Amino acid sequence: QVQLVESGGGSVKSGGSLRLSCAASGFDFSDYYMSWVRQAPGKGLEWISYISSKGTYIYYTDSVMGRFTISRDNTKNVMYLQMYSLRAEDTAVYYCARGRDVWGQGTLVTVSS
Amino acid sequence: EIVVTQSPATLSVSPGERATLSCRASQSVSINLAWYQKKPGQPPRLLIYNTSTRSTGVPARFSGSGSETEFTLTINSVQSEDFAVYFCQQYNNWPWTFGHGTKVDIK
Repeated sequence: QVQLVESGGGSVKSGGSLRLSCAASGFDFSDYYMSWVRQAPGKGLEWISYISSKGTYIYYTDSVMGRFTISRDNTKNVMYLQMYSLRAEDTAVYYCARGRDVWGQGTLVTVSS
Repeated sequence: EIVVTQSPATLSVSPGERATLSCRASQSVSINLAWYQKKPGQPPRLLIYNTSTRSTGVPARFSGSGSETEFTLTINSVQSEDFAVYFCQQYNNWPWTFGHGTKVDIK
C-alpha cells in the first residue's frame, strides 16, 4: 500500500546536524512532489520545504532557508532533509508528505542547548 | 507571506450537532485551500482540497466552501471520532501556510 516512513530523528545539541530520510513505497515516487512539514510541541503545523517530482524546483520557508537542504533520489524512492546549524526552535515532529494527501508517521527531532 | 487565521480557537459541540469552522486568508488564495484533521500522535489527515473537494475516503458529513479569502469547513452531525484539531492551509503562494487550528471538543 501507499506508505511513507521517516527516519533519522533524534536528539542533537544546538549547532549540530541531522539528516532525515523519507522512504516511499506503493506508488510511483518520481511522479509526485514531496514536502517536509513540522510541528513543534504544542504548536501548529509549518510547511518547511518542497521539492518537485524531478527535483527541478525547491522551496524553503524563511525559518530554515540556508540551514536545511531538501533532496530526493528517484532511483531509491527516498527523500532527504539535511539539517545544519540546528536550533532549539527546530525541535519538532517532522513529517514527510506526498503532495497533500499522504503523510508519514513523523520523526521527532529534539535540539537541546 | 499569506497569514491564515482560523476561528474559533475552540469549538465545543455535542455529538450529532453541526460544527462550522472558519478560515480567513490575508490575501486572495483563489480556491487553493485545504483542510486537515489532526489527532495527537497521528499525522495530519487531508479532508478537503481545492476548497470543497473531499479527499478519498472522507465522509460526506465533511464539506468545504468559500473562495478568495473566506473559507468554511462544516461537519454535519459530528461523530465521536471527529473530535480533533482542524487546520486550514493555503497553497496559492509559497510559503504555504497553515492557520493555528480550531480544536473541536465535546460539549
